Amino acid sequence: AQSVAQPEDQVNVAEGNPLTVKCTYSVSGNPYLFWYVQYPNRGLQFLLKYITGDNLVKGSYGFEAEFNKSQTSFHLKKPSALVSDSALYFCAVRDMDYGQNFVFGPGTRLSVLP
Amino acid sequence: DTEVTQTPKHLVMGMTNKKSLKCEQHMGHRAMYWYKQKAKKPPELMFVYSYEKLSINESVPSRFSPECPNSSLLNLHLHALQPEDSALYLCASSQESRMNTEAFFGQGTRLTVV
Repeated sequence: AQSVAQPEDQVNVAEGNPLTVKCTYSVSGNPYLFWYVQYPNRGLQFLLKYITGDNLVKGSYGFEAEFNKSQTSFHLKKPSALVSDSALYFCAVRDMDYGQNFVFGPGTRLSVLP
Repeated sequence: DTEVTQTPKHLVMGMTNKKSLKCEQHMGHRAMYWYKQKAKKPPELMFVYSYEKLSINESVPSRFSPECPNSSLLNLHLHALQPEDSALYLCASSQESRMNTEAFFGQGTRLTVV
């Protein structure tokens, strides 16, 4: 079965500084990886995905993610954090073995401090 | 249109009530999902419909009953719920079973069982 880990429950960063939210995965076969963001009392918003090709994936709102096959990681990054980026971030993998369901990591709460 | 619309946004119901949650999408997606999300936790899969047929039921109690009347609509019928069923219920859709496609989520229904 596929699984996703997000080693940090909470990430704090000052506004204007670069941010990284970490994600590692375990899959059988090719990984299909996704990042979602959730604001309080809202649904999940899609940020970006890795399917194949370039290891650096660009997404919405200035976010990007770096796929590293040897380290089985898919870290989310942004060069300059905004206070409005404060939210809950989920890494997810598409489960090929079980109805192609989306399997989510536990989530990382990002706080950007002014 | 990349919207998944869920109604109602909030629902308070007693343990003897019967209510329904509704979800609608017009993106032509043939896979639709129900997830349950507790506070500060990742979404947990409940049901998956593929081409209007139930393809996954994650051992959800029978007090939750899904229905897919057509390719655009997904309902979740609720009956005799327990207080521990209080949660955010998220509907999502994606392009059938293509692994490289993301899921689009609705804003969720905040359910409180009293």
